[in-house]
Amino acid sequence: ETGVTQSPTHLIKTRGQQVTLRCSSQSGHNTVSWYQQALGQGPQFIFQYYREEENGRGNFPPRFSGLQFPNYSSELNVNALELDDSALYLCASTPRQGRRVGYTFGSGTRLTVV
Amino acid sequence: AQTVTQSQPEMSVQEAETVTLSCTYDTSESNYYLFWYKQPPSRQMILVIRQEAYKQQNATENRFSVNFQKAAKSFSLKISDSQLGDTAMYFCAFMNGGSGNTGKLIFGQGTTLQVKP
Repeated sequence: ETGVTQSPTHLIKTRGQQVTLRCSSQSGHNTVSWYQQALGQGPQFIFQYYREEENGRGNFPPRFSGLQFPNYSSELNVNALELDDSALYLCASTPRQGRRVGYTFGSGTRLTVV
Repeated sequence: AQTVTQSQPEMSVQEAETVTLSCTYDTSESNYYLFWYKQPPSRQMILVIRQEAYKQQNATENRFSVNFQKAAKSFSLKISDSQLGDTAMYFCAFMNGGSGNTGKLIFGQGTTLQVKP
């Protein structure tokens, strides 16, 4: 079975621009979460999608938005990029009972805002 | 609000030795899950071991085991027979298991473990 794949692996954007990050969940996983990991820190929860709807959100402004598609893949969109948005963005997927089996993470997208 | 604290920013161990990584958490919930994740330089977060709070028995996965002290809100990870491939950053994580669970994992700050030959 394939794991979680994310694209692109690296990205450089200019402050004020918009960016879209993509994630393909592991086969059989219908729940996708996104995390932001600043350098040297633990990941911070952005939001989670289940059945194409957001069903949980962390302390991130509305310019962070997402989508989940019928095949359970997902996108993270960030508008009006700020320098502090520079981080590793991790996608994680799980079956609905993720709290019991844990989440499978991708290798992330390294976003640099200049 | 739940918090997770890892008080050891860096640790090192000799190959084949045993090392214990510490983690404490704070919650008022009774139903929750605890995890240890490993993040090597490849960046992918890999699940090492998980513990369900209602289970008193400590979880074990091959060379990895936990010491879960629910009353003390402590969840340490013991790595036996350390291998060079264990070199990575280790994160302790908490998830609320109640009906309001949103799948949010709360991570600690991480402990960088270096296994020396």
